[in-house]
Amino acid sequence: GQNIDQPTEMTATEGAIVQINCTYQTSGFNGLFWYQQHAGEAPTFLSYNVLDGLEEKGRFSSFLSRSKGYSYLLLKELQMKDSASYLCAVMDSNYQLIWGAGTKLIIKP
Amino acid sequence: DAGITQSPRHKVTETGTPVTLRCHQTENHRYMYWYRQDPGHGLRLIHYSYGVKDTDKGEVSDGYSVSRSKTEDFLLTLESATSSQTSVYFCAISEGTSDTDTQYFGPGTRLTVL
Repeated sequence: GQNIDQPTEMTATEGAIVQINCTYQTSGFNGLFWYQQHAGEAPTFLSYNVLDGLEEKGRFSSFLSRSKGYSYLLLKELQMKDSASYLCAVMDSNYQLIWGAGTKLIIKP
Repeated sequence: DAGITQSPRHKVTETGTPVTLRCHQTENHRYMYWYRQDPGHGLRLIHYSYGVKDTDKGEVSDGYSVSRSKTEDFLLTLESATSSQTSVYFCAISEGTSDTDTQYFGPGTRLTVL
């Protein structure tokens, strides 16, 4: 079966750095996506990785290791507005997205 | 903003009734998707479309049907709603012509089946 694992919940402090991990086992790999979802809202796209390594976009970075079936999302200089769920999704060999259940990130002042 | 709207945004219905949800896009994208989101689960694909009248099943298609008679509209029908179909339904589009293009989501429809 196909599986995406990420922690259910994490807590961090405003101004700090947090790393959200995602491990996956899928039939094929055509890229890994990270989305942010605020409560009661739609997911919004954050990043896409298809090659190994780190992709940086402002305060957010995403890392991929295809050999380890592993990715992480790194959020720096945390702000209260970063309180949200972060969804990891892998595109499989049929070009369908397989989604993790999401990590709820709680930011404390 | 990918120009996606969903209607209705909220609906309460009774078991056994048919329900149709609408997804409308303004930018002529080829691919459209219907997902459901439930607590403790990742988003799950119900059906998707790769063009007018071209649709296919996703992971959780039982009890659902879709139609796409125009590029801009993708309809999801629950033929006879059940309480297990209480969920938040999201429509998504992908912008380009590549299978790996990013998906962008509509605002969602919260459906309650009593």
